[in-house]
Amino acid sequence: ETGVTQTPRHLVMGMTNKKSLKCEQHLGHNAMYWYKQSAKKPLELMFVYSLEERVENNSVPSRFSPECPNSSHLFLHLHTLQPEDSALYLCASSHLAGGPYNEQFFGPGTRLTVL
Amino acid sequence: EDKVVQSPLSLVVHEGDTVTLNCSYEVTNFRSLLWYKQEKKAPTFLFMLTSSGIEKKSGRLSSILDKKELSSILNITATQTGDSAIYLCAVTTTSGTYKYIFGTGTRLKVLA
Repeated sequence: ETGVTQTPRHLVMGMTNKKSLKCEQHLGHNAMYWYKQSAKKPLELMFVYSLEERVENNSVPSRFSPECPNSSHLFLHLHTLQPEDSALYLCASSHLAGGPYNEQFFGPGTRLTVL
Repeated sequence: EDKVVQSPLSLVVHEGDTVTLNCSYEVTNFRSLLWYKQEKKAPTFLFMLTSSGIEKKSGRLSSILDKKELSSILNITATQTGDSAIYLCAVTTTSGTYKYIFGTGTRLKVLA
């Protein structure tokens, strides 16, 4: 079990549904990340939060909406997704970049299927 | 555009074999290179390399960075079936403070 947890682990939703993914880290980190992992593609960085402020948004469609209420929790709100959004969504956390210990720790991911 | 390329894309070996996985990068303002192992879901951290020529070792795994060649290798000796996984390489830069650029990974399968 890692210090980063994600729920749910699996999610099947229709294109008109609204759902949320949750990530929680217990490592005292102050940066949190959402990644999308599709088959045969590199991990795609979606959003980065540092000290609860969004610092990176990699041209992600507005149907994905992140929220970081505090440095331990990160949400990804999903609305009117497309079938091509089906993927593994990984959350990660790290100490603030710039120091010597900036490796990321990943959660187990949410396997999302959009019908 | 920053890029990380891993090779081979996939590899099948037998237990006891030694494997070498490659990671090459083209980025602006390189800071560090990281290796991760992804078995079922969550990638787990293996090594972080920042200096050229210094080998990092953990059990049967070792890795080294060559900044001249813009590459790194990950060696696994005496492979075991438990080494079967996707091995991911990521590079960080000083320009994108929170940017981790990942390769597609190498899928390793170790047969008993």
